[in-house]
Amino acid sequence: GESVGLHLPTLSVQEGDNSIINCAYSNSASDYFIWYKQESGKGPQFIIDIRSNMDKRQGQRVTVLLNKTVKHLSLQIAATQPGDSAVYFCAERNGSGYSTLTFGKGTMLLVSP
Amino acid sequence: NAGVTQTPKFQVLKTGQSMTLQCAQDMNHEYMSWYRQDPGMGLRLIHYSVGAGITDQGEVPNGYNVSRSTTEDFPLRLLSAAPSQTSVYFCASSYKRTGNTEAFFGQGTRLTVV
Repeated sequence: GESVGLHLPTLSVQEGDNSIINCAYSNSASDYFIWYKQESGKGPQFIIDIRSNMDKRQGQRVTVLLNKTVKHLSLQIAATQPGDSAVYFCAERNGSGYSTLTFGKGTMLLVSP
Repeated sequence: NAGVTQTPKFQVLKTGQSMTLQCAQDMNHEYMSWYRQDPGMGLRLIHYSVGAGITDQGEVPNGYNVSRSTTEDFPLRLLSAAPSQTSVYFCASSYKRTGNTEAFFGQGTRLTVV
C-alpha cells in the first residue's frame, strides 16, 4: 500500500549528527505545541510538548524551541540514531474546552549508519 | 496493559458497504478520538468523545458515525463506504487532566474502498 511518507519533506542525516525538524503553526491561540513520532506501520507516539508561554523545553536527547513571533516550532534531536528514523509531526492544541489536536503534515527523518 | 487496540488491521470494502472499525482502550482514559491519515498529510480528526455518552464532530466527520456507550470502547461506523474513505484510521485516547497533551494511539486500520 501507499506509504504515508510519500510527498513529505525529508531530512537525511548521518548517525551521530544533530537533527533539526521545523514546523510552522497557524493558530496564535494554541496553548500547547507537541511533537509526535510515527514509525513505519505504527501509530504516532508522543515525544515532548511545550506550553505556549515557554521558549524552550528539553527532554532526553530532544529539545523543542518555540518562536511565537514567527509562529515557528522546531525539534532538535541530539546524536541522531538509526532508531530515530521516522515521520515527525508537530501538533497544536487549541486550548478551548476539550482541546483537540491539529497536526501538521509531517517530516520524514532518515538516519544513515 | 494492552493500551489502545484497533481491529481489524486491514480491510477492503466495496463502494456502498458499511462497516465498523473497533477501538478499545484499557487505561480508563476519558478522551477518545478517531483520525484519518492520508499520504503526505497529517492526521485529521473525524470524531471525538470526552466521556461515555458524549461525542462531537471533528474536522472531517461526513460519512462517519460514532458512539461511546462505555469508557473503554469507541467504534467508528462507515455508513456507505466511498473510495474517498480509503485511508489509514487511527484511534487515540488520553487522560482528562489539565495540561495533558499526550495521546496514546492504536496501530491503525488500513482501509481500502474499491
